[in-house]
Amino acid sequence: DAGITQSPRHKVTETGTPVTLRCHQTENHRYMYWYRQDPGHGLRLIHYSYGVKDTDKGEVSDGYSVSRSKTEDFLLTLESATSSQTSVYFCAISVGDSYEQYFGPGTRLTVT
Amino acid sequence: GESVGLHLPTLSVQEGDNSIINCAYSNSASDYFIWYKQESGKGPQFIIDIRSNMDKRQGQRVTVLLNKTVKHLSLQIAATQPGDSAVYFCAESGGSNYKLTFGKGTLLTVNP
Repeated sequence: DAGITQSPRHKVTETGTPVTLRCHQTENHRYMYWYRQDPGHGLRLIHYSYGVKDTDKGEVSDGYSVSRSKTEDFLLTLESATSSQTSVYFCAISVGDSYEQYFGPGTRLTVT
Repeated sequence: GESVGLHLPTLSVQEGDNSIINCAYSNSASDYFIWYKQESGKGPQFIIDIRSNMDKRQGQRVTVLLNKTVKHLSLQIAATQPGDSAVYFCAESGGSNYKLTFGKGTLLTVNP
């Protein structure tokens, strides 16, 4: 599992509230990614990071922000959660600065 | 479990048979491809990868074939077992910062 953990694993929140999901890795990988997975869409990239304080947008970044103040932690924030953000969120790391990505166990988020 | 299997192509095989899962990719410039396995309620798991300078690569009970002419990738699983039941999807290298583009997946069901 490349030493990746995600927290929380499950969360239910109300529309309009802020939510932060955490991805933690123990192996000092430089690249980290946040994806969402929805039926019929596969995995879609939200944001990614290529180092501490270095982040960039993916294909579905609207409504999300990220921060990476330490190598081991990559945080995903939903500034004001909406029902369309109900999804399963996966964090991934790139091994050795390559395309070989390994995933965390996921966070199931439900926005009511 | 997760609902990622909804709306997916499905393949149903008998235990002990060989399985072939196909994937069409979009970018003729992609030079790296990965197959992932995702079991219900879990994160995607790396199975095998292949670079564009190869047309075949074998792992333990799995073989990936790459046909660059028609932009087609296949995953062959030998002697399929019930534990192989999962969603399988391919990914192709997708530009800078080691981003990947993911296919939507195929649900493999192995009947005992």
